[in-house]
Amino acid sequence: TQLLEQSPQFLSIQEGENLTVYCNSSSVFSSLQWYRQEPGEGPVLLVTVVTGGEVKKLKRLTFQFGDARKDSSLHITAAQPGDTGLYLCAGPNSSGNTGKLIFGQGTTLQVKP
Amino acid sequence: NAGVTQTPKFQVLKTGQSMTLQCAQDMNHNSMYWYRQDPGMGLRLIYYSASEGTTDKGEVPNGYNVSRLNKREFSLRLESAAPSQTSVYFCASIFRGWNTEAFFGQGTRLTVV
Repeated sequence: TQLLEQSPQFLSIQEGENLTVYCNSSSVFSSLQWYRQEPGEGPVLLVTVVTGGEVKKLKRLTFQFGDARKDSSLHITAAQPGDTGLYLCAGPNSSGNTGKLIFGQGTTLQVKP
Repeated sequence: NAGVTQTPKFQVLKTGQSMTLQCAQDMNHNSMYWYRQDPGMGLRLIYYSASEGTTDKGEVPNGYNVSRLNKREFSLRLESAAPSQTSVYFCASIFRGWNTEAFFGQGTRLTVV
């Protein structure tokens, strides 16, 4: 069974601080995705990483896919209150061709002004 | 662009009552999924439909049924609601191209008393 484990589960920081969220698995994934979910809304896709070692940047957010394609990280530089939300990593289930996505438990980020 | 539309947004049921959650997408995707989201447990797959006319069980299907009415619509039915089904329910429409991406509705917050 493929599992994705995120750490930390909760993070409360002050505006301007940097942070890193991790998404780990013992299984290889063909790709990994990061979603952000704001209160009362559904998750929204931020990025997909496909190649081992790949780094993608989205303004102050930096996403990295591990060389072995078993893990990913999300780094936020100079966090702002608008970054507050639930961050979820997800990857496609490799068994069969169902297109199912496996989600991590999520990391709740609170950025205080 | 409506994307994925879920109704209702909020619902309170008494134990034993039934209800149907509606979901429609206008992105012409073949695959549609139903998830439930509970604190600390991430998103868990209830049922999915890889294409029109097919449905399959996910991780937590007990107590639920689904209908893929047509390519656009995928409904989730609770035949006899139980307090354990209190949760936030999300419908997702899945794009399966060179990678798999999920587009979520805004969710239905269901309370069973």
